[in-house]
Amino acid sequence: AQKVTQAQTEISVVEKEDVTLDCVYETRDTTYYLFWYKQPPSGELVFLIRRNSFDEQNEISGRYSWNFQKSTSSFNFTITASQVVDSAVYFCALSTNTGNQFYFGTGTSLTVIP
Amino acid sequence: EAQVTQNPRYLITVTGKKLTVTCSQNMNHEYMSWYRQDPGLGLRQIYYSMNVEVTDKGDVPEGYKVSRKEKRNFPLILESPSPNQTSLYFCASSPKQSYEQYFGPGTRLTVT
Repeated sequence: AQKVTQAQTEISVVEKEDVTLDCVYETRDTTYYLFWYKQPPSGELVFLIRRNSFDEQNEISGRYSWNFQKSTSSFNFTITASQVVDSAVYFCALSTNTGNQFYFGTGTSLTVIP
Repeated sequence: EAQVTQNPRYLITVTGKKLTVTCSQNMNHEYMSWYRQDPGLGLRQIYYSMNVEVTDKGDVPEGYKVSRKEKRNFPLILESPSPNQTSLYFCASSPKQSYEQYFGPGTRLTVT
């Protein structure tokens, strides 16, 4: 069975602090894809990153970085020097080549306090 | 502009009154999907479609129907809505199942 766990329900940080959002996934498939989405207070869902299971390279995009570790089945997301505009709910998601479904975690609500 | 549109954006209805939420995409995507979002539960997939005339159940299909007669449209049908279907619904599309999905703006449904 496929599953995504985001154990952190809510996180609050003060502006300019770094914050890491955890994502742990479960799958027996060898080929799978991991995603992060952002849902700001306005409600839309914004795609942030996609990773396939064969590419364990970490990725950095501006203040955002992602750490993919197959050994621990984790795909964590770090925001460096957080800003108020980072306040949102962040979802981690998984899809696999067998099954065709998407599995989302329950989300982490991040509040950045000015 | 590439987009996924949903209509209506807000809907209040009564138990048992059939309704349809439309979803349309203009990106020629093969994969389309419906989700519901509930507090504390994240997004749960209701139905998905790999292509025209190919649909399958997600994790929470009970009480819903879909159809995919054209590539661009993927309506969600609630034949007899019940209060437990009160939720925020999102439609999404992607080129293939393994790619990132583009989401519509959401439809907030209240069933009384």
